[in-house]
Amino acid sequence: DAKTTQPTSMDCAEGRAANLPCNHSTISGNEYVYWYRQIHSQGPQYIIHGLKNNETNEMASLIITEDRKSSTLILPHATLRDTAVYYCIVRGHNNAGNMLTFGGGTRLMVKP
Amino acid sequence: EAQVTQNPRYLITVTGKKLTVTCSQNMNHEYMSWYRQDPGLGLRQIYYSMNVEVTDKGDVPEGYKVSRKEKRNFPLILESPSPNQTSLYFCASSSLQGQGRWDTQYFGPGTRLTVL
Repeated sequence: DAKTTQPTSMDCAEGRAANLPCNHSTISGNEYVYWYRQIHSQGPQYIIHGLKNNETNEMASLIITEDRKSSTLILPHATLRDTAVYYCIVRGHNNAGNMLTFGGGTRLMVKP
Repeated sequence: EAQVTQNPRYLITVTGKKLTVTCSQNMNHEYMSWYRQDPGLGLRQIYYSMNVEVTDKGDVPEGYKVSRKEKRNFPLILESPSPNQTSLYFCASSSLQGQGRWDTQYFGPGTRLTVL
């Protein structure tokens, strides 16, 4: 599975949009971009995933560039409860062991 | 409510005393997995199971055993725990879609294990 690069930390004001970038320049054609988050040692929580088109659900939006080498997770109206570590993961749906490779992630701090 | 549960949530034990951490899911998922999380190392997969009676090693299986006798349960067994197994453990599950495609993984709340 392709490796990802994320900023170590980011701040966001409460109520504003949080835009979390992820670089995955070695992504291959059949690999998806997944986003999970982990709130203070709780179990990782699935947020969203996509292949090439932009995706939106009740939690967030995922914007994937046309060349698929990078993506941005958007939390439209960040709240204090969105403070967490956000992980960008790239993997194929058929990978052996269905393993998710969590990198360092981005520590998002939402401030009042 | 669809969920993955783990027990116990916290455990302090001593070296060599066998222990089992249970994991159960109520989503009828085929796939279950165990991860450990350590500072600076992220989450690493220990073992996984694609269905009942089918298990396989992940990245860090040494010192662990698993079993999958029922679809909903996937216990993690430490026959002789050692201090280097002190960690935060997560169980996860997902369903298998058509054509061998995996669905998203759902994680349990975690078990914090300390081995003295």
